[in-house]
Amino acid sequence: EAEVAQSPRYKITEKSQAVAFWCDPISGHATLYWYRQILGQGPELLVQFQDESVVDDSQLPKDRFSAERLKGVDSTLKIQPAELGDSAMYLCASSFPRTGTYEQYFGPGTRLTVT
Amino acid sequence: GENVEQHPSTLSVQEGDSAVIKCTYSDSASNYFPWYKQELGKRPQLIIDIRSNVGEKKDQRIAVTLNKTAKHFSLHITETQPEDSAVYFCAASAPSGGSYIPTFGRGTSLIVHP
Repeated sequence: EAEVAQSPRYKITEKSQAVAFWCDPISGHATLYWYRQILGQGPELLVQFQDESVVDDSQLPKDRFSAERLKGVDSTLKIQPAELGDSAMYLCASSFPRTGTYEQYFGPGTRLTVT
Repeated sequence: GENVEQHPSTLSVQEGDSAVIKCTYSDSASNYFPWYKQELGKRPQLIIDIRSNVGEKKDQRIAVTLNKTAKHFSLHITETQPEDSAVYFCAASAPSGGSYIPTFGRGTSLIVHP
């Protein structure tokens, strides 16, 4: 069964450094989501793409975070500079609303630790 | 924006008992309500969902009910088993640009004691 891929799985970085996460959604999935999940809380939507267009990025801290999905397939989320409070699990998910189903398929996540 | 409240944060039951998790939402535009199960160290997975044109949906031991007027929805698990132990997240999703924008609750940690 096809799965959402993410890399790296773990990342340790020092504050003020730049980090980047990559996500490859399930083939054909038009919608891609980036979430931040702090331990003990639900996923918080950072940015949502429909193909290559941003649908919602209202919760993305744009002074330090950026996201792109240039060809409407894979996506990169970048943080520069990283802060201690950015330590969290970053989840990517995809869905294929054109079929009428809205189930999100999550990747394994990237656990970021900022020291 | 949407605000989703989920209760309780922790739920402990004996095997065979029923478990109920409740969520409320604020945005009347939300019309899609999925529930995800996240086992320790694993990714969230959809277990059941409901659209706003339906009041109840059932899948074996799992059911979801929706009250649009009161803006709340609930997950019901009957005959709980130890493998039901996990964190459960509700979400309220509003349509936007051909897709849905989801807002998740903070999660409920369900513990089923054998």
